[in-house]
Amino acid sequence: GMPVEQNPPALSLYEGADSGLRCNFSTTMKSVQWFQQNHRGRLITLFYLAQGTKENGRLKSTFNSKERYSTLHIKDAQLEDSGTYFCAAGGTGGYKVVFGSGTRLLVSP
Amino acid sequence: EAAVTQSPRNKVAVTGGKVTLSCNQTNNHNNMYWYRQDTGHGLRLIHYSYGAGSTEKGDIPDGYKASRPSQENFSLILELATPSQTSVYFCASGAGISNERLFFGHGTKLSVL
Repeated sequence: GMPVEQNPPALSLYEGADSGLRCNFSTTMKSVQWFQQNHRGRLITLFYLAQGTKENGRLKSTFNSKERYSTLHIKDAQLEDSGTYFCAAGGTGGYKVVFGSGTRLLVSP
Repeated sequence: EAAVTQSPRNKVAVTGGKVTLSCNQTNNHNNMYWYRQDTGHGLRLIHYSYGAGSTEKGDIPDGYKASRPSQENFSLILELATPSQTSVYFCASGAGISNERLFFGHGTKLSVL
């Protein structure tokens, strides 16, 4: 299967809602990055994790290398959170970084 | 924040023509990468480099060449552009240590007619 599976492929939320995105890895990864791609197509780094959990405002991300997954939680969703979210994981066999296929998030009033 | 600059931002090319996409990074990163992004596929790795003079094939290298003449610059070359290469191309750099963290450029939108 795909080395990085990202779910869900699409997500619709109302303003103020909480939700989560998840990436599962087919093999052990050493690190994960989460990006938001905005309406202009720019990739904005949200988190970089080699282990554990990080928080930044309404966003929180967890990376569990042993269990082969990472999550991104969005709290109190806002309109500007709309966009496509990607996880990208780095493995143990060199520098190559593999992307998930993305989650398209739409936040509505 | 790392600075990765791509040029051009938009390009229209004709089938069979030669296209060169340029990328410059000012952070002295060892590794540089070229990805393409297509709907339904996320970002896919075309070529990457470990340093000046080095180029390596990524997951989808066919139809593309790469050139890394210096630490700062990494080019993607389409010798004979085809409509299937219409896409958005992203360049990224990374420090080249374990647990690679990537910094991306703004992207180049290429249309091959």
